Amino acid sequence: SAVISQKPSRDICQRGTSLTIQCQVDSQVTMMFWYRQQPGQSLTLIATANQGSEATYESGFVIDKFPISRPNLTFSTLTVSNMSPEDSSIYLCSVSLGARTEAFFGQGTRLTVV
Amino acid sequence: KNEVEQSPQNLTAQEGEFITINCSYSVGISALHWLQQHPGGGIVSLFMLSSGKKKHGRLIATINIQEKHSSLHITASHPRDSAVYICAVVSNFGNEKLTFGTGTRLTIIP
Repeated sequence: SAVISQKPSRDICQRGTSLTIQCQVDSQVTMMFWYRQQPGQSLTLIATANQGSEATYESGFVIDKFPISRPNLTFSTLTVSNMSPEDSSIYLCSVSLGARTEAFFGQGTRLTVV
Repeated sequence: KNEVEQSPQNLTAQEGEFITINCSYSVGISALHWLQQHPGGGIVSLFMLSSGKKKHGRLIATINIQEKHSSLHITASHPRDSAVYICAVVSNFGNEKLTFGTGTRLTIIP
């Protein structure tokens, strides 16, 4: 199994600023993912965080807006840059221990941009 | 059309009722997950299925690979079961990322 500590749990930010969200896993994992959940919507994958190389972004998401770091196999950060109210969402990190294993999620970061 | 469809979107039931939430998907998958999300936003994994049926306490999950359909059942429902239940699939293209359904908001009334 894997236990994920995600922080902050919530924040209220001014538009135009940036917020960095951290995820710490209690074991080494290969696959780590960042998701966004807009109000009333389901989760959408932002990117796959790769250790030692640039993150792989999904259509509609770009590195300038959502830079991701993955310095080792237990830690990753997602930055939401130059925020606008449309970025108000829950952001979640998740890890996979294999395609046919349980998925593990952080507690989520509830971001409000004012 | 979304790759993963859930029904119903919202469900309200009396305590003790038997609950069924359905999930249909249109892609080939290697696994299907049922997840529970509480109002704070955190997500807990309930089941991972690749075939057949799994049971954990009052929760039962089934999957029919040929029909591309899965169900989540809750027996003897309780107000603490109130949450959003999300179906997510792992495609069989080789990566491990999840594609999510839109969720079912369940409310159990005492």
